[in-house]
Amino acid sequence: AQSVTQLGSHVSVSEGALVLLRCNYSSSVPPYLFWYVQYPNQGLQLLLKYTSAATLVKGINGFEAEFKKSETSFHLTKPSAHMSDAAEYFCAVSYGGSQGNLIFGKGTKLSVKP
Amino acid sequence: DADVTQTPRNRITKTGKRIMLECSQTKGHDRMYWYRQDPGLGLRLIYYSFDVKDINKGEISDGYSVSRQAQAKFSLSLESAIPNQTALYFCATSDSRTSGRNEQFFGPGTRLTVL
Repeated sequence: AQSVTQLGSHVSVSEGALVLLRCNYSSSVPPYLFWYVQYPNQGLQLLLKYTSAATLVKGINGFEAEFKKSETSFHLTKPSAHMSDAAEYFCAVSYGGSQGNLIFGKGTKLSVKP
Repeated sequence: DADVTQTPRNRITKTGKRIMLECSQTKGHDRMYWYRQDPGLGLRLIYYSFDVKDINKGEISDGYSVSRQAQAKFSLSLESAIPNQTALYFCATSDSRTSGRNEQFFGPGTRLTVL
């Protein structure tokens, strides 16, 4: 069965530091990939998505992610963390077609220290 | 803009009670989903519906049922609630016309507590 692995359930960075949240998927077929963010007491908001166009995807709030087929990875990065980035981040994968369901990772909670 | 709405937003109930969570959308999407979120487990799919007459079980459907009353409405029922169904429940929608990319749009969630 396809799966999504997010390394690190909790990541802590200092304000201004690089943010790196890791996501790996299990499949030989390139999927569609998504990063969602959940701010405290809110629903999920799409940050960015990869749909087989450019491998480097830019999203909202300065985040970007790079699809690396050889590593089956789609890590999320932001050059400089802001206090407002503190949230939980979910990586999700879809294989499209008639199914089209999303498979979610277990999430990574990002803390930003002043 | 509240394209996907969920009611109620919070609910506390007792073991054995029947509970219905409702989801409505104004996005015109044909596909709708119900997930539950538990700390450390991410989101898990309960049921999904590709149109009014197409309803499918997800990963964790036991103890739940659904009804797709119209394209815009998808409700989730707990026939006899139990404490381990305490969770945050999300409804989501997607549009099959977007070439299978399956971007999903989420409602604000319903926090359910079963005592």
